[in-house]
Amino acid sequence: SAVISQKPSRDICQRGTSLTIQCQVDSQVTMMFWYRQQPGQSLTLIATANQGSEATYESGFVIDKFPISRPNLTFSTLTVSNMSPEDSSIYLCSAASRTEAFFGQGTRLTVV
Amino acid sequence: ILNVEQSPQSLHVQEGDSTNFTCSFPSSNFYALHWYRWETAKSPEALFVMTLNGDEKKKGRISATLNTKEGYSYLYIKGSQPEDSATYLCAFEGGADGLTFGKGTHLIIQP
Repeated sequence: SAVISQKPSRDICQRGTSLTIQCQVDSQVTMMFWYRQQPGQSLTLIATANQGSEATYESGFVIDKFPISRPNLTFSTLTVSNMSPEDSSIYLCSAASRTEAFFGQGTRLTVV
Repeated sequence: ILNVEQSPQSLHVQEGDSTNFTCSFPSSNFYALHWYRWETAKSPEALFVMTLNGDEKKKGRISATLNTKEGYSYLYIKGSQPEDSATYLCAFEGGADGLTFGKGTHLIIQP
C-alpha cells in the first residue's frame, strides 16, 4: 500500500495571506484528490488534481481561491489563497490506484 | 500513531445476502467515526458521521452502529446488490488530529 506525506500538519495564518499544502505519495497513483473536513462533518471534495493540466473543481470551489498543481503522478499542492477565518478547517489529500484509496493525515489550518 | 483496523480485509457475498463488517478504533479521545464508500476511479463518498455512543444510522439498505466505550463500529448491508461492490472505509476523528483511516473492507457481491 502507498504512504502519503502531507505537510504542514498544522499552521496558524493571518487573514489575507496564502498557504500552500504539499502532498507526496511514495508510489505512482492514478488519481489525487483534495478535501476539506470540518470537525464532526464528512469530507467535502474540493477538486480532483489532474497531472499536467488544470484541476477539476467541485461546485462551490474555484481555482482562484484554491489553486492546485500536480506536476507528476506522485506530487500535488493545494494553495488556500487570500485566507479568511471561514477557511479554518482540516485539508486532506487523498490518492487512489486502481485497487486502493489512501489518505494523508491532514493539515489543520487556523486563520486568525 | 492511532490504530484504526477494519475487518475483514475483503469479503465475497452472494447477491441478496446480508453482510456486515467492523471498524475498531481507540476508545479514548473520541470525537466522531466516519464511514465512506469508495469505488475505483471515483472519490470516496461519505456514508455516515457518527458521534454518540449507541448511535445507529441508516441510509437505504446500509446501516451502521457505534460503540465508543469499546471502540468499534459495524456497517451492515441488507440484501446485497452488485452495485454495493466497493471498498468501505472507516475513519476515526479524535481530538485535534484530523482523520485516521482504516485500510478498508473490499466488498465483492457475486450475482
